[in-house]
Amino acid sequence: EADIYQTPRYLVIGTGKKITLECSQTMGHDKMYWYQQDPGMELHLIHYSYGVNSTEKGDLSSESTVSRIRTEHFPLTLESARPSHTSQYLCASSEYTGSGKTQYFGPGTRLLVL
Amino acid sequence: GDSVTQMEGPVTLSEEAFLTINCTYTATGYPSLFWYVQYPGEGLQLLLKATKADDKGSNKGFEATYRKETTSFHLEKGSVQVSDSAVYFCALSRGQGGKLIFGQGTELSVKP
Repeated sequence: EADIYQTPRYLVIGTGKKITLECSQTMGHDKMYWYQQDPGMELHLIHYSYGVNSTEKGDLSSESTVSRIRTEHFPLTLESARPSHTSQYLCASSEYTGSGKTQYFGPGTRLLVL
Repeated sequence: GDSVTQMEGPVTLSEEAFLTINCTYTATGYPSLFWYVQYPGEGLQLLLKATKADDKGSNKGFEATYRKETTSFHLEKGSVQVSDSAVYFCALSRGQGGKLIFGQGTELSVKP
């Protein structure tokens, strides 16, 4: 059973606020990912990390930033939220080596920016 | 670049019907292929996977076979249940980076 957690599950916030979405995993995985999921269901990779102090931008440009100071923790920050940031954000992790490794997903954070 | 194309949804079936969700991919080399499922209000979870040509992944009555000659990984189940109602995503990963490329998702609704 995967142990990857996201908080908050739901967030409603006003334009211009700074927010941090939390993601933690207890599996000791080196790789972690953030995806943005459209209302139409499509998933887009926005950030990933291969380990501590490693962060990379994903395939979809995002105004958010991430950090990886500890293996188990991969928070995502929006400095100034806008309505265009309204979406579901999914965090995932996997073991380091090989293309056939399973990614384990958290339950997601639904963000609504008013 | 690499891509995954899934059958358009939503798909609506009656309980005990046969299910096929088509998935084709474009990739160089030998990707690994996955089906993930997303139940309402939840994150994604792995349903099955195959890491080389002709491998068959199976789980919970679902099956998919990695067909390199047709670049396909179609999902099948012989008899669906109401509890199978969810969104199904086909995905591939290639190389040591392990990044997943997802199809657009297919919503399945099973009626009693």
